[in-house]
Amino acid sequence: GEDVEQSLFLSVREGDSSVINCTYTDSSSTYLYWYKQEPGAGLQLLTYIFSNMDMKQDQRLTVLLNKKDKHLSLRIADTQTGDSAIYFCAESRTGNQFYFGTGTSLTVIP
Amino acid sequence: DAGVIQSPRHEVTEMGQEVTLRCKPISGHNSLFWYRQTMMRGLELLIYFNNNVPIDDSGMPEDRFSAKMPNASFSTLKIQPSEPRDSAVYFCASSPQGQVNTNEQFFGPGTRLTVL
Repeated sequence: GEDVEQSLFLSVREGDSSVINCTYTDSSSTYLYWYKQEPGAGLQLLTYIFSNMDMKQDQRLTVLLNKKDKHLSLRIADTQTGDSAIYFCAESRTGNQFYFGTGTSLTVIP
Repeated sequence: DAGVIQSPRHEVTEMGQEVTLRCKPISGHNSLFWYRQTMMRGLELLIYFNNNVPIDDSGMPEDRFSAKMPNASFSTLKIQPSEPRDSAVYFCASSPQGQVNTNEQFFGPGTRLTVL
């Protein structure tokens, strides 16, 4: 993805919290998204945050947005083996185009 | 709704052959996107359409790739001739641009293409 960066790999133990980080470059982004891709499947929207928000919580998921630093994070509480997947952050810029990060492969160790 | 439908799910072909990938977007969505995913380059946007019109095809790798959207419910991505380096998973996504604020993209299951 153009200028949307993520670390490639993350391993956590089952029951721990996972934090996946993302940096982006376009300060005019209106929405920022987290997508999940399970093996052999397409991407599914997990959650999104509007650019004028700092935080959004949805059950086990917490999204934090630091607009000044252009930093987005996804925290998964009580990580389960079913959370093992690739997580993509994405930003929506002018028009309808999305810019996806490289994806972070999350491995949950039982 | 059945979601975004792509066919075939898997395609194995020989170098030099023509490949056609198909996509049916979610009914009512007016934007359609073609992506390619590889280990080396991650997820790349190839082209996107708005109201059946190609808006940005700057991601199309070369002239061997072409995409069409003859109507609101169907799009094709064609590779002719195919090469081994085209091997990848190709995703189609659709979006209700302008109809909801979030402009969420809904992805199909992908077509895994292998060119021998």
